[in-house]
Amino acid sequence: QKEVEQNSGPLSVPEGAIASLNCTYSDRGSQSFFWYRQYSGKSPELIMSIYSNGDKEDGRFTAQLNKASQYVSLLIRDSQPSDSATYLCAVNPSGSARQLTFGSGTQLTVLP
Amino acid sequence: NAGVTQTPKFQVLKTGQSMTLQCAQDMNHNSMYWYRQDPGMGLRLIYYSASEGTTDKGEVPNGYNVSRLNKREFSLRLESAAPSQTSVYFCASSEIRNTIYFGEGSWLTVV
Repeated sequence: QKEVEQNSGPLSVPEGAIASLNCTYSDRGSQSFFWYRQYSGKSPELIMSIYSNGDKEDGRFTAQLNKASQYVSLLIRDSQPSDSATYLCAVNPSGSARQLTFGSGTQLTVLP
Repeated sequence: NAGVTQTPKFQVLKTGQSMTLQCAQDMNHNSMYWYRQDPGMGLRLIYYSASEGTTDKGEVPNGYNVSRLNKREFSLRLESAAPSQTSVYFCASSEIRNTIYFGEGSWLTVV
């Protein structure tokens, strides 16, 4: 079992819709969770971090964390074509100070 | 505001050749990393350096060596390149609460 799993997609949503990206992780002791966005040919950039159970909102982005279910998600409201990218879920496993384990990413396409 | 700078951006090597990827950060971060990214595999950690003077193996260290030259610089060396090392390499750095910042990537092809 991979440590961090994501649906590879591709996920297509119409412009203005809500895009929902999901991620599960295997290390129950993980404490820090991150969503990175990566445009084709570019480096990953951090868009959200979450450390506590519940929701965290930042503009059109909402990260949701459920440690009991070992599940973290990213919702993108009012999706725009500029949101089309690969979204990487990253987890800081227990006992690995400052290292991150990444999922393989979900490719999102927002259709005009 | 340069952030994390890595060179070269593109490189083609012949099997068996050696090369060094250079990385420097100007954010005064203690921790630095080298990742590789392959299609469908996500980012995999090759080596990391938690602080100046220390280096540790990550998930896929075979065929690579690293040097933490000082707090700013962390280099990755391929001693004898193999086609399996064709990949995109990202250097990264971090400090507070695990936020990792990436360089722009180095595209390496081994023929």
